[in-house]
Amino acid sequence: AQTVTQSQPEMSVQEAETVTLSCTYDTSESDYYLFWYKQPPSRQMILVIRQEAYKQQNATENRFSVNFQKAAKSFSLKISDSQLGDAAMYFCAYRSESGATNKLIFGTGTLLAVQP
Amino acid sequence: EAQVTQNPRYLITVTGKKLTVTCSQNMNHEYMSWYRQDPGLGLRQIYYSMNVEVTDKGDVPEGYKVSRKEKRNFPLILESPSPNQTSLYFCASSTLSSGRNEQFFGPGTRLTVL
Repeated sequence: AQTVTQSQPEMSVQEAETVTLSCTYDTSESDYYLFWYKQPPSRQMILVIRQEAYKQQNATENRFSVNFQKAAKSFSLKISDSQLGDAAMYFCAYRSESGATNKLIFGTGTLLAVQP
Repeated sequence: EAQVTQNPRYLITVTGKKLTVTCSQNMNHEYMSWYRQDPGLGLRQIYYSMNVEVTDKGDVPEGYKVSRKEKRNFPLILESPSPNQTSLYFCASSTLSSGRNEQFFGPGTRLTVL
């Protein structure tokens, strides 16, 4: 069974600085997708960025980028020029391309605080 | 506006009193799913549905029921709620054409069972 691990329960960053959130996963599959979701205090789940496992190029969305290391099964999220609005819980998630359930498998989350 | 709606957003109830949390999506998605979120555990799938009249258990189905009589609706039923079902619940939907496709989440339902 696939698992997703986020080893940093909480992190803090100064406004305008860069922070990296870690995520590792375990799978025997070769085709899958990885996601980072943001959950602000409103509790809404917001997709931040996604990565296809077959793509070597790291995904980028404005100030958000990932470092995808397929062999190491690592998928970290880098937030550049951190803003107060980035303060939220961040979840890493995995989804199989071939799985019958279409299920997202989530990590336990990292709570990010942004200091002014 | 494309969205997933859930009702109620907040609910406090007592042990054993049957309740239903509704979920509706307006994107004509085949796939719908329920997750629960608990501190330190992330989100875990309760039940899912691939299409009308097709439902199956997720990772934590005990104490829950679902139905999918219409494509847009996927209610979550707790027939005899217990305190360990106190949680934050999310409904999600997506197309099935690719695992790349985004799952859209509802706003969440905070349930407290006393």
